[in-house]
Amino acid sequence: DTGVSQDPRHKITKRGQNVTFRCDPISEHNRLYWYRQTLGQGPEFLTYFQNEAQLEKSRLLSDRFSAERPKGSFSTLEIQRTEQGDSAMYLCASSYNTGTGNGYTFGSGTRLTVV
Amino acid sequence: AQRVTQPEKLLSVFKGAPVELKCNYSYSGSPELFWYVQYSRQRLQLLLRHISRESIKGFTADLNKGETSFHLKKPFAQEEDSAMYYCAQSPSGSARQLTFGSGTQLTVLP
Repeated sequence: DTGVSQDPRHKITKRGQNVTFRCDPISEHNRLYWYRQTLGQGPEFLTYFQNEAQLEKSRLLSDRFSAERPKGSFSTLEIQRTEQGDSAMYLCASSYNTGTGNGYTFGSGTRLTVV
Repeated sequence: AQRVTQPEKLLSVFKGAPVELKCNYSYSGSPELFWYVQYSRQRLQLLLRHISRESIKGFTADLNKGETSFHLKKPFAQEEDSAMYYCAQSPSGSARQLTFGSGTQLTVLP
């Protein structure tokens, strides 16, 4: 297990197109998170899953965004009808729920550029 | 709403000098506090967490509930400490969503 993997690393798309990102968490981690990071800012929470259940969504996650985690393994984040404001780094992280706040393991991210 | 403030976007110190990166949080309960670090061209990684009261790479951070602060300190900075540092908090009890500060870029000069 090499940690949290994200694919693709970079994505350039035209405004209005749909894009989908994939995240493969650490295998024994039951929680998976998506964050978005824009230039000069810290990561902002989008959504998280415990196993296959999506338990929380941020108000940042508009109707154009959807995330899934079938079978509680990998996750996908889809953005429909992309806008220039969607350009950002999309980070995935995973953790094991022990209730002791042991932090996350992050992936390298997918950098989205909407032109 | 939870808020984490890192007042310094940029911080430069000379090698061997002490360094302190400031972090203030707003959560009124008993949050979990973390410091994450991102070295150049690497992924964001956990540096330390307040519950473990550990020292990692010579860094320590003390939770001050009275001042709602969780400043990161190191007595003698090294050039390899140059990185972006993020303070983060989450509600106590579980590592649910983290609220991050905007980060401080630390540069340690030779």
